[in-house]
Amino acid sequence: TQLLEQSPQFLSIQEGENLTVYCNSSSVFSSLQWYRQEPGEGPVLLVTVVTGGEVKKLKRLTFQFGDARKDSSLHITAAQPGDTGLYLCAGALSNSGYALNFGKGTSLLVTP
Amino acid sequence: KAGVTQTPRYLIKTRGQQVTLSCSPISGHRSVSWYQQTPGQGLQFLFEYFSETQRNKGNFPGRFSGRQFSNSRSEMNVSTLELGDSALYLCASRWGQGIVHEQFFGPGTRLTVL
Repeated sequence: TQLLEQSPQFLSIQEGENLTVYCNSSSVFSSLQWYRQEPGEGPVLLVTVVTGGEVKKLKRLTFQFGDARKDSSLHITAAQPGDTGLYLCAGALSNSGYALNFGKGTSLLVTP
Repeated sequence: KAGVTQTPRYLIKTRGQQVTLSCSPISGHRSVSWYQQTPGQGLQFLFEYFSETQRNKGNFPGRFSGRQFSNSRSEMNVSTLELGDSALYLCASRWGQGIVHEQFFGPGTRLTVL
């Protein structure tokens, strides 16, 4: 059973467009992380959100944690080809120690 | 500060064999977790070690085992390999304190079982 559902699964856009990726669950998470993974490499941590309602900005990337700590979104403004990759959300349940539950990811392709 | 390192990067084995993968965490990190990544299932948690003790285990058969040494380096072993064990095996390290669960991943070991 996938605790975290990501949508969309695939996204192909042109350079300059905006996009939003969603990460939803019926479970409450102590914190939630977003990672980006490129082919053949391990996931690279982008951000951690901890407080319900929290918004964090990382240059053109904006991350939001839902008020109830059950969902999150990643918004990219003016996407660039360098943003291409697999975006993964991950969270730890309060009763699962430090084991991360991952969504299946959103594969983003940004073409020039 | 050097990142998480994993060796080997690529491995080809045949069914029935066993394999050992190695992970060196970021200096000062005491927690090491292992994950399996496949196209169908995504990333799934295998187990976590902290100060040489397994603290948490995912839903994998007993063929998957691990250990951690006093210098925090960790090894993962898979015995009696099956075709379905072909995957990218990722190691992640964490400082081990506090409530924030962020983990830092290595590049992974790509295991192919023929």
